[in-house]
Amino acid sequence: DVKVTQSSRYLVKRTGEKVFLECVQDMDHENMFWYRQDPGLGLRLIYFSYDVKMKEKGDIPEGYSVSREKKERFSLILESASTNQTSMYLCASSTLTGPGSYEQYFGPGTRLTVT
Amino acid sequence: EDQVTQSPEALRLQEGESSSLNCSYTVSGLRGLFWYRQDPGKGPEFLFTLYSAGEEKEKERLKATLTKKESFLHITAPKPEDSATYLCASSNEGFKTIFGAGTRLFVKA
Repeated sequence: DVKVTQSSRYLVKRTGEKVFLECVQDMDHENMFWYRQDPGLGLRLIYFSYDVKMKEKGDIPEGYSVSREKKERFSLILESASTNQTSMYLCASSTLTGPGSYEQYFGPGTRLTVT
Repeated sequence: EDQVTQSPEALRLQEGESSSLNCSYTVSGLRGLFWYRQDPGKGPEFLFTLYSAGEEKEKERLKATLTKKESFLHITAPKPEDSATYLCASSNEGFKTIFGAGTRLFVKA
């Protein structure tokens, strides 16, 4: 079974802090994604990566950056946390080719609260 | 612009009362139409992929179907444990996957 793990289930940070969210997948997937999910707005793509050291902006990249130094690990960084970044953050991974390509497998999520 | 729209937003059923969830999509170069289940406070869980019109897939009480413009998730004789949010998503020719807003299903015993 595909396993995607996220570093924290719950996180509370203060405004202006630098925040790191980490995601690890164990299926050798090429693609990795970061989403945020808010009530009434659904899943919104922040960044994705299709290879090590490669990244592409999603729909809402402002205020975020990412890092992918190893294939299995994809980090989301909030450079200076703000209250409007309070949300559920979801990491996902998928393969590009072969059976099951583009199917995304999600981690359990990190509920981030910025005060 | 690629778009995925789900209806209804919420659906309340009695246990055993079969129904369907709708997903309308407009996608250039469809690579796949996906269904996910999400329980409160958890990440979405993959259910099905459909690739071409006419395709159907089943899993327990769930059956997903695909036409050129819509996908349906049919729930037969649902149980309270089927209560969840069901998400529809599509992938286009690029890497992009677009998610619908979801249908919240409540099944009462």
